[in-house]
Amino acid sequence: QAQLVQSGAEVKEPGASVMVSCKASGYTSNNYAIHWVRQAPGQRLEWMGWINPGKGDTQSSQRFQGKVTITKDTSATTVYMAVSSLTSEDTGVYFCAKKTIGHPHGLDVWGQGTTVTVSS
Amino acid sequence: QSALTQPPSASGSPGQSVTISCTGTSSDVGAYNFVSWYQQHPGKAPKLMIYEVTKRPSGVPNRFSGSKSGNTASLIVSDLQAEDEADYYCWSFAGGENWVFGGGTNLIVL
Repeated sequence: QAQLVQSGAEVKEPGASVMVSCKASGYTSNNYAIHWVRQAPGQRLEWMGWINPGKGDTQSSQRFQGKVTITKDTSATTVYMAVSSLTSEDTGVYFCAKKTIGHPHGLDVWGQGTTVTVSS
Repeated sequence: QSALTQPPSASGSPGQSVTISCTGTSSDVGAYNFVSWYQQHPGKAPKLMIYEVTKRPSGVPNRFSGSKSGNTASLIVSDLQAEDEADYYCWSFAGGENWVFGGGTNLIVL
């Protein structure tokens, strides 16, 4: 059973950085990309970017370039998403989700979400 | 990349059918058959309901179906049930390794 487990909630001050982890199990992680999605309180889902854990290739949405860094561990089973220079607008729930590299095109397994609160 | 356009809300009575639209451009929805739909209940992670415009993952009721015409994709929910009340989002490939979500639609079962 494929599963993604994310790290726990974070509270950060403005200007700080935060790193959220996403640990994969139950499938061969090299064959799937991990995408990151943000949801501000009461707002829509927003695509942030993705990583190919097997090769380490990444792509970020233009909106998050320079703000978000997506990396992986050497085993490719855990992916990390770091957000820098936090402001109140970065408050929200961050989800990781799995997608096959190539077909089929859909985010078929999701992490439980990590709440990040930016507050002084 | 601007969000795909969805109606903020839709509604129907139990047993009825509802269609939720997702309008993009010739660079995203219109260019690729890579539109998927997600159901999200409050406080929960999204769930994949439809992928590649018309395909349904195992375990998703066949009351859920998808279609596309030009730059607009649609999610059709037939025989509405109370548990279908949720937010629904479309997601499309936008070229250049980029993807984009719709603004979301709150489906209300009357």
